[in-house]
Amino acid sequence: EAGVAQSPRYKIIEKRQSVAFWCNPISGHATLYWYQQILGQGPKLLIQFQNNGVVDDSQLPKDRFSAERLKGVDSTLKIQPAKLEDSAVYLCASSLGEWDLRTGELFFGEGSRLTVL
Amino acid sequence: DQQVKQNSPSLSVQEGRISILNCDYTNSMFDYFLWYKKYPAEGPTFLISISSIKDKNEDGRFTVFLNKSAKHLSLHIVPSQPGDSAVYFCAASEGGQNFVFGPGTRLSVLP
Repeated sequence: EAGVAQSPRYKIIEKRQSVAFWCNPISGHATLYWYQQILGQGPKLLIQFQNNGVVDDSQLPKDRFSAERLKGVDSTLKIQPAKLEDSAVYLCASSLGEWDLRTGELFFGEGSRLTVL
Repeated sequence: DQQVKQNSPSLSVQEGRISILNCDYTNSMFDYFLWYKKYPAEGPTFLISISSIKDKNEDGRFTVFLNKSAKHLSLHIVPSQPGDSAVYFCAASEGGQNFVFGPGTRLSVLP
């Protein structure tokens, strides 16, 4: 079974430039998450989709970050314009979505490391 | 304000001994907890979970204990192996939504 795919793995940009990250979740997973992990910290949820609808985007800095999951499968996360403090690993995760005690875990991709200079 | 805390940034244990990683949370509404392991340049991988209806869950060498009154959980690894060397994250949620992660503990298992 293929895992969560993310691209690009690494991206270096200058501040005020824009960047986009792509995620393809595990086939059949209805729920997709974007997390931001700053060095030395745990992952922080940015946005959660259930199919193509947004469940929670309360921690997404909406003035510069946007995300979409138009067809309920893959997703893109965009940052425009980027700031120095956006340097982090952006992790995409998916889950079956029908949460219960057996299937509640999230499956993470390898992440996209962003460096803003 | 950190809702999930892992107060030990790092831990070193000898191969074959027990590793105990601790996690504290502040939100009494959290009812589902996960532990993840992360190797460098890889995404976190799921280890074990526990819900608030239990106080212990085992999976092979890994056991998670939950003390609801103390808002504390711990992950025990017995016996520890060099391949267990990684960063371990505790995560908590209310009803399986919006998992909040701790800052992680780096475990080093020495041969």
